[in-house]
Amino acid sequence: QKEVEQNSGPLSVPEGAIASLNCTYSDRGSQSFFWYRQYSGKSPELIMSIYSNGDKEDGRFTAQLNKASQYVSLLIRDSQPSDSATYLCAVRGRGNNRLAFGKGNQVVVIP
Amino acid sequence: KAGVTQTPRYLIKTRGQQVTLSCSPISGHRSVSWYQQTPGQGLQFLFEYFSETQRNKGNFPGRFSGRQFSNSRSEMNVSTLELGDSALYLCASSVNTDTQYFGPGTRLTVL
Repeated sequence: QKEVEQNSGPLSVPEGAIASLNCTYSDRGSQSFFWYRQYSGKSPELIMSIYSNGDKEDGRFTAQLNKASQYVSLLIRDSQPSDSATYLCAVRGRGNNRLAFGKGNQVVVIP
Repeated sequence: KAGVTQTPRYLIKTRGQQVTLSCSPISGHRSVSWYQQTPGQGLQFLFEYFSETQRNKGNFPGRFSGRQFSNSRSEMNVSTLELGDSALYLCASSVNTDTQYFGPGTRLTVL
């Protein structure tokens, strides 16, 4: 079982719609969860961090964490063409500073 | 505050050579982590340094090594380069065990 899984293929959404991304993780003791955005040819850029169950909103982005089900999701509201990128889910392991990443989900926002 | 810087940004080497990559963290950040990103494997953790000590290590062969200096700057070295070492090498800094911020990366091509 992979540590962090992002199974969905490329996601195409019309401009103004909601993009929904999901991520599951295997280590039940994980405490810190992150979403990074990576544009083609660039390095990952932090979008959201979430540490406790529930929702966390920041502008058009909402992260949701459910530790019992071991998943974390990201919603992008009012999607813009500038949101077209690969979104990486990252989980920090128990007791260390190592981030385990999913393979990422490519999002394409169609004008 | 200046972000994470990495030098050089691009490198071309041949098999069997060695390479040294450099990372300067955000001012005040004492933790530096290194990751390798390839299209097939995604982002994989190499190692983390904190206060000049290696604190965590990923599953990479001994050809990959690193160090950290007293000013928190870090270097990683890859010896006896193989074609499969071609990748984007990313450095991330954090204060301690918290949010990691990535540098622009070094693109290494091994011919």
